[in-house]
Amino acid sequence: EAQVTQNPRYLITVTGKKLTVTCSQNMNHEYMSWYRQDPGLGLRQIYYSMNVEVTDKGDVPEGYKVSRKEKRNFPLILESPSPNQTSLYFCASSFTSGGALNEQFFGPGTRLTVL
Amino acid sequence: DQQVKQNSPSLSVQEGRISILNCDYTNSMFDYFLWYKKYPAEGPTFLISISSIKDKNEDGRFTVFLNKSAKHLSLHIVPSQPGDSAVYFCAASPFSGGYNKLIFGAGTRLAVHP
Repeated sequence: EAQVTQNPRYLITVTGKKLTVTCSQNMNHEYMSWYRQDPGLGLRQIYYSMNVEVTDKGDVPEGYKVSRKEKRNFPLILESPSPNQTSLYFCASSFTSGGALNEQFFGPGTRLTVL
Repeated sequence: DQQVKQNSPSLSVQEGRISILNCDYTNSMFDYFLWYKKYPAEGPTFLISISSIKDKNEDGRFTVFLNKSAKHLSLHIVPSQPGDSAVYFCAASPFSGGYNKLIFGAGTRLAVHP
């Protein structure tokens, strides 16, 4: 089954404790992206990757890191989480040919709470 | 400042009637528009899209209308069904080719009641 998986689905942590949210897709997509969803703000892009070893900042990259060492995986790293990073996070992937014409497939989301 | 706005946080419609969800945008460089649907505890899923060279795109019960001069698009669902109850996100992209960037609105929660 074609899918984007994220782990963990729920996480409660404390300020300053490094964490990683994993994202994996099995559709051989070149493009992967991380979004956060906050009430009244919709989904905002954190980082994206056009292919292996190619990453770039989205609209709200502060406090986050990413890496793309393999095509299927795109982990999101919070080196020192803060309460303002409490949010619902989505990973998405798609093919790159055709740009936004390609449907982005989203993972089920990770709800993160930083105390 | 949000470039894509969905000014109605929620909408309630009776089953069988038409649902109309609205979206406004400010950036005239947007040339591709999409609607995503999201159920609780799931990720958004693609619903329908429209290119700026068109003013209407239809897919079954779903039709998207684009008014470029007004920088406005709308999603019509006819007839509405209880399974359509979800949050609907409008998204826009400044490129129809190349970079896959999407800018999302805040979403509209649709409730279809029997």
